[in-house]
Amino acid sequence: QVQLVQSGGEVKKPGASVKVSCKASGYTFRKYGFSWVRQAPGQGLEWMGWISGYNGNTQYSQRLQGRVAITTDTSASTAFLELRSLRSDDTAVYYCARDSSGGVSGWFDPWGQGTLVTVSS
Amino acid sequence: DIQMTQSPSSLSASIGDRVTITCQASQDISDHLNWYQQKPGKAPKLLIYDAINLQTGVPSGFSGSGSGRDFTFTISSLQPEDIGTYYCQQYANLPLTFGPGTKVEIK
Repeated sequence: QVQLVQSGGEVKKPGASVKVSCKASGYTFRKYGFSWVRQAPGQGLEWMGWISGYNGNTQYSQRLQGRVAITTDTSASTAFLELRSLRSDDTAVYYCARDSSGGVSGWFDPWGQGTLVTVSS
Repeated sequence: DIQMTQSPSSLSASIGDRVTITCQASQDISDHLNWYQQKPGKAPKLLIYDAINLQTGVPSGFSGSGSGRDFTFTISSLQPEDIGTYYCQQYANLPLTFGPGTKVEIK
C-alpha cells in the first residue's frame, strides 16, 4: 500500500536549520508531487510548499520564502524539507503528504506520520 | 490568499445525531475543496475531495456538498469513532489554505 514514513523528532536551537525526510513506498514516486504541511501545538494546518516528484519544480508559501527548501532524491523515493533560521514559532509537527496528481493543486493522500520539530534555547 | 472560515469551531452531539459543518471561502473556488479528519495525535486523513467525492474506503456516512464559496460537510449519524477535528482545504489558488478546523465531541 502507499505509505509515507518520516524521520524522527528533532530539537534545535534558534537560528539553526533542520532537515526532515519523507520516504515513499507502494507507488511510482515520479508520478506524484509532495506537499509539506505543519501544525503548531494546538493550532491548525499550514501549507508550506510543494515539489514535483517528476522534475523537482517547487512552489513555496510566501510566508516562508527564503527560509524553506524542498527537495527530492528520486533514486531513494524520498522528499526532504529544510527549514533555516529557526525561530521558536517554528515549533510544530511537520507532515509530508502526497498530492493527488503530478501538479501542485489537489488533495493530500496519504500523509506521513508527522515529525515534531522543537525549537528551544 | 484565499481565506477559509469554518463554523462552528466546535460542537458536541449525541451518538446517532446528524452533524453539519460549514466552510466558506473568501472568493469563488468552484469545487476545489477537500475535507480532512484529524484524530488527536494523528495525521489528517482525506475524507472528501472535489467538494462531493468520497475518498475510497471512507464510510458512506460522510458526505460533502457545495460549490463557489459555500460548502457543507455532513456526518449522517455520529459514531464514537468520528470524534476529532475536521478541516476544509482549498486548492483553487496558491497558497493552498485550510480552514481553522471544527472540533467534534460526543455529548
